[in-house]
Amino acid sequence: AQTVTQSQPEMSVQEAETVTLSCTYDTSESDYYLFWYKQPPSRQMILVIRQEAYKQQNATENRFSVNFQKAAKSFSLKISDSQLGDAAMYFCAYRTYNFGNEKLTFGTGTRLTIIP
Amino acid sequence: GAGVSQSPSNKVTEKGKDVELRCDPISGHTALYWYRQRLGQGLEFLIYFQGNSAPDKSGLPSDRFSAERTGESVSTLTIQRTQQEDSAVYLCASSFQGGLKNEQFFGPGTRLTVL
Repeated sequence: AQTVTQSQPEMSVQEAETVTLSCTYDTSESDYYLFWYKQPPSRQMILVIRQEAYKQQNATENRFSVNFQKAAKSFSLKISDSQLGDAAMYFCAYRTYNFGNEKLTFGTGTRLTIIP
Repeated sequence: GAGVSQSPSNKVTEKGKDVELRCDPISGHTALYWYRQRLGQGLEFLIYFQGNSAPDKSGLPSDRFSAERTGESVSTLTIQRTQQEDSAVYLCASSFQGGLKNEQFFGPGTRLTVL
């Protein structure tokens, strides 16, 4: 079974600065997807960024980028130019590549606080 | 609306009562997922529907939990004889089967409190 570990329960960053959230995972599969989701107080899970394991290039979405280290099974999220609206819980998630049941396995989350 | 909707938004019940939680997925989405989120925790997978069938029920914690889906649309998660440990936010997600991306779109969840 796959597991996802987020070792930072809480992080804080000054507005406009850069912060990195850590995530490690364990799997015996060679192909899979990794995700970062954001959950603001509204509870709505919002997809931030996605990475396919077969792609060597790290995914980037505007101010959000990942550092995907497949051999180390590490998938960190970097948020540049942090904004007040980035304050939320951030969850790392794993999904099998196999077509069909695509349930997500989540880490326990990191609460990100933005300091004005 | 265009997104996944869930009702009720909040539910308070007494221990031992049955509850039903509803999920309306995005129209045309064939896959539907239920997750549970306990306070301060990540999401735990409960059950997956493809169309109206549930090929993976492995996450249901006990036989008090059941779910059904009709018309390849609405899904209901039922918890019988609720216990205090059932208190959590129950989130539903749907996705369009057929694309490699298959992004799951989440609803706002139902917060269940069992007194």
